[in-house]
Amino acid sequence: DTEVTQTPKHLVMGMTNKKSLKCEQHMGHRAMYWYKQKAKKPPELMFVYSYEKLSINESVPSRFSPECPNSSLLNLHLHALQPEDSALYLCASSPTSGSAYEQYFGPGTRLTVT
Amino acid sequence: AQTVTQSQPEMSVQEAETVTLSCTYDTSESDYYLFWYKQPPSRQMILVIRQEAYKQQNATENRFSVNFQKAAKSFSLKISDSQLGDAAMYFCAYRRDDKIIFGKGTRLHILP
Repeated sequence: DTEVTQTPKHLVMGMTNKKSLKCEQHMGHRAMYWYKQKAKKPPELMFVYSYEKLSINESVPSRFSPECPNSSLLNLHLHALQPEDSALYLCASSPTSGSAYEQYFGPGTRLTVT
Repeated sequence: AQTVTQSQPEMSVQEAETVTLSCTYDTSESDYYLFWYKQPPSRQMILVIRQEAYKQQNATENRFSVNFQKAAKSFSLKISDSQLGDAAMYFCAYRRDDKIIFGKGTRLHILP
């Protein structure tokens, strides 16, 4: 199984809502990543988890709250988002956080904040 | 700080022809990895090819090859015998440990 899955595929939420994005992989990877991608732009790294511990937070606003309950699962909790947070949110994983390893990307969750 | 630059926002190539996508980067590190990723429209991003900075030999994967010039900090991607399925956004990426930086991408169109 070389797949990273993400749910939901699409999400529309109001600025006062609380929602969560989910990412799962069963490749035994120990590094997992959240990216934000705006249209026609490259992915921007948000968070990195290595061995279930948060290792990088790229100064992301606190309305985004990541969680890694176990080595296969990564969540992104959303609260009080702004319309400019509308984007494609990509999850990725790699065997470890070392430089040599490629990242396996999920299909993304298309988020619209109204 | 590291930067990755892709100077060609869009390119077109005739089917079966060869095309080269350019990428330059800036870093003060000597040990790092470079990647080309492909993101087809509405589909997942996948790895095309990877290059270790300490290797002088250029990486090759079937129709895809790179021209890696470490001193010039250049990492171009050559696609031979272009196929319709190659149409996508191509991102050049620099990685050192967990620091991953993507270029702005090149949209590649394949003309039948």
